[in-house]
Amino acid sequence: GESVGLHLPTLSVQEGDNSIINCAYSNSASDYFIWYKQESGKGPQFIIDIRSNMDKRQGQRVTVLLNKTVKHLSLQIAATQPGDSAVYFCAENDTGRRALTFGSGTRLQVQP
Amino acid sequence: DTGVSQDPRHKITKRGQNVTFRCDPISEHNRLYWYRQTLGQGPEFLTYFQNEAQLEKSRLLSDRFSAERPKGSFSTLEIQRTEQGDSAMYLCASSPRTSGTDTQYFGPGTRLTVL
Repeated sequence: GESVGLHLPTLSVQEGDNSIINCAYSNSASDYFIWYKQESGKGPQFIIDIRSNMDKRQGQRVTVLLNKTVKHLSLQIAATQPGDSAVYFCAENDTGRRALTFGSGTRLQVQP
Repeated sequence: DTGVSQDPRHKITKRGQNVTFRCDPISEHNRLYWYRQTLGQGPEFLTYFQNEAQLEKSRLLSDRFSAERPKGSFSTLEIQRTEQGDSAMYLCASSPRTSGTDTQYFGPGTRLTVL
């Protein structure tokens, strides 16, 4: 199958460790942020989202943190599993537009 | 399977030919989006429909590209006189709301290769 993100930054972690993936955004008008997971040959899969009136949101094994002051977003994955191996993209959306703007992506490799 | 579906999954064509892709959104989703993704990059927005109305188009959508959503359900994306630079993954997404911002759910994509 095809490979997504041939030259992306790579984060390599051991199975069971926690992972932190970071994303910087530039549009101060962005008010909605999403993390997507993309496996090779597949479309992006929704993980978690957060709106700009929040600093933190938790899901199952995942937490998203938003720092609007420095325009920084992070995704924390607890107890990382081999099935978490994929490319992770952050995406942002500003008021008045419907298009998502995606970041450049980070490849997560989980070592068994 | 009630997710976004796209057809075909793969398309190989010769330069200069026309191609058409189809997207079936999640049932009753009002909004439908097309994105293009090249290797190593995140998806880039092409166009957006709310019901049957095409409300936004990216500058990436040259005059060789056209998209339709005639009945507010499925959508087609046509590329005329394909060029090698059109080789990419074409992704469709849908979302349910008619106002405000909401989550976009993506289909598996159509991989286009122009020889």
